[in-house]
Amino acid sequence: EPEVTQTPSHQVTQMGQEVILRCVPISNHLYFYWYRQILGQKVEFLVSFYNNEISEKSEIFDDQFSVERPDGSNFTLKIRSTKLEDSAMYFCASRGDLRSYEQYFGPGTRLTVT
Amino acid sequence: AQTVTQSQPEMSVQEAETVTLSCTYDTSESDYYLFWYKQPPSRQMILVIRQEAYKQQNATENRFSVNFQKAAKSFSLKISDSQLGDAAMYFCAYRIYNTDKLIFGTGTRLQVFP
Repeated sequence: EPEVTQTPSHQVTQMGQEVILRCVPISNHLYFYWYRQILGQKVEFLVSFYNNEISEKSEIFDDQFSVERPDGSNFTLKIRSTKLEDSAMYFCASRGDLRSYEQYFGPGTRLTVT
Repeated sequence: AQTVTQSQPEMSVQEAETVTLSCTYDTSESDYYLFWYKQPPSRQMILVIRQEAYKQQNATENRFSVNFQKAAKSFSLKISDSQLGDAAMYFCAYRIYNTDKLIFGTGTRLQVFP
């Protein structure tokens, strides 16, 4: 069964460094998402992406964040200058088309900012 | 603002018994979807069941069923004949019909005892 994959599973970075989290969505899906879950808190929506542009973003997704689909398979989240409070589990998700309702989630990347 | 509340941080059930996880939400919208996601210890979230707000009939997926009370804004999940593999974090989530953003509750950790 097709799955969303994410790399790396765990990333440790120093405050102020740039980090790129990578995702490979399910191959024929058209809609892509990033969510994050700070330890002990709820899963929060960051951004949705369709047709090579951001379709919706939350207040969390400020200028420090960017997303890109550099080729036909990868979907990346870049954090330009990481802060301690960016430490969280980051989940990528994808959805097939406008009629489909289910977002399929990847296993997540745990980002630790020291 | 749309919010999702799960008032039970932890629940436990004995194998083969039935357990109900509660979820309430707040919205002024009339068209939306409701979801229950399961997050096993491996941390990949899996969709368990969904409900469209316009449907009066409660959704059912094998041992999983919901009690959707639109007027009360309540969406509980019933797991019948509980199995050890049902042990996981369960998230209730909400999505307005014409947006992409999933809004999650804080989750309920379900333990299943043999």
